[in-house]
Amino acid sequence: DTEVTQTPKHLVMGMTNKKSLKCEQHMGHRAMYWYKQKAKKPPELMFVYSYEKLSINESVPSRFSPECPNSSLLNLHLHALQPEDSALYLCASSQGQTGNQPQHFGDGTRLSIL
Amino acid sequence: GDSVTQMEGPVTLSEEAFLTINCTYTATGYPSLFWYVQYPGEGLQLLLKATKADDKGSNKGFEATYRKETTSFHLEKGSVQVSDSAVYFCALKSNTNAGKSTFGDGTTLTVKP
Repeated sequence: DTEVTQTPKHLVMGMTNKKSLKCEQHMGHRAMYWYKQKAKKPPELMFVYSYEKLSINESVPSRFSPECPNSSLLNLHLHALQPEDSALYLCASSQGQTGNQPQHFGDGTRLSIL
Repeated sequence: GDSVTQMEGPVTLSEEAFLTINCTYTATGYPSLFWYVQYPGEGLQLLLKATKADDKGSNKGFEATYRKETTSFHLEKGSVQVSDSAVYFCALKSNTNAGKSTFGDGTTLTVKP
């Protein structure tokens, strides 16, 4: 069982819709991440939050908007997405952003843009 | 910048065969090294890790040794099972890169009965 919970597991949306992806962890981790993963490819980093503050934005288009309401929750707000944004979106957490701690991943949200 | 190179797949083995998946890296500083596994329809799971030279990570029969002299972290298992079929990612995490993780391209392993 994964310790990082993502909802929903699947999401189909049109290009004009607004939706949100949610991620939750209760391991006391202070760093949380959003990744995008295309089929048969490694995860690509999108955002990093450290102690609830945005630490890294990997030049992600503004149609993706992250939010960290508290130390256990991470959201990704989606608006006006493009078909090429269809992918598996993975949330991860670690004890800290730096150091040798591994990341713990959720099972992802599979997003399809019509 | 940091980079990770994994052997190209896919790899197909018979049950009980010996597995090696090669991984080499380039990094500044002293990175920590990881192997993650991704089963179909799931996220990545940490398989094992090593944080300094000559450390050996091990889990579920898998092993990998941090070799600084050859900048390698090859994954091995003596006898694979059908349930080991998955995608395996080698990764490094370096404090000189804001703690970002760098992943290899992944190696797909299929084990046949």
